[in-house]
Amino acid sequence: NAGVMQNPRHLVRRRGQEARLRCSPMKGHSHVYWYRQLPEEGLKFMVYLQKENIIDESGMPKERFSAEFPKEGPSILRIQQVVRGDSAAYFCASSLSPGQGAPLHFGNGTRLTVT
Amino acid sequence: DQQVKQNSPSLSVQEGRISILNCDYTNSMFDYFLWYKKYPAEGPTFLISISSIKDKNEDGRFTVFLNKSAKHLSLHIVPSQPGDSAVYFCAAGVQGGSEKLVFGKGTKLTVNP
Repeated sequence: NAGVMQNPRHLVRRRGQEARLRCSPMKGHSHVYWYRQLPEEGLKFMVYLQKENIIDESGMPKERFSAEFPKEGPSILRIQQVVRGDSAAYFCASSLSPGQGAPLHFGNGTRLTVT
Repeated sequence: DQQVKQNSPSLSVQEGRISILNCDYTNSMFDYFLWYKKYPAEGPTFLISISSIKDKNEDGRFTVFLNKSAKHLSLHIVPSQPGDSAVYFCAAGVQGGSEKLVFGKGTKLTVNP
């Protein structure tokens, strides 16, 4: 998993607070994906971004969740007014050449706990 | 609706024996498939992949078999080693698209010494 950096590794928020998760892709990768893993579940796609563009957000909840990947800096997944059901592991992945069947490279995730 | 299914939540094998992990899919649009390995508190690590134009791909101790007519793939690990103990995720995608992968729920493999 070297290369895709996520922080923080662990994040605790009270209900109603905001959570910000950061992801720096592998060097040279300009395509970022966010996945969420609920307990005992597989990884669920949330959003796919390129620099300054959201390409596919079909997996994002319609409310409270947003993502960005600015020209400079890491990609941010933002969850407003968190609820207990948001507790999960959030994984970021990056890719060099989407559409070519190349594997995604994942970070070690941010474990969000909502109390 | 689960497009990628791993029906065995867990599998236990003896060191040196073969481990066979299975995966079924329902979406006939999928044309490439991947296996990821995941240790606790880490992200998934890519293991091996296969395109739908092939029915087998091998990399060292790992072999993936694809049966398109049955919409089934399997991962064979031989010989199994204790360090292979992890959760294995099957994933599928459509080439030429966004590389959005659909994952199964995973199979926890335990290799006993």
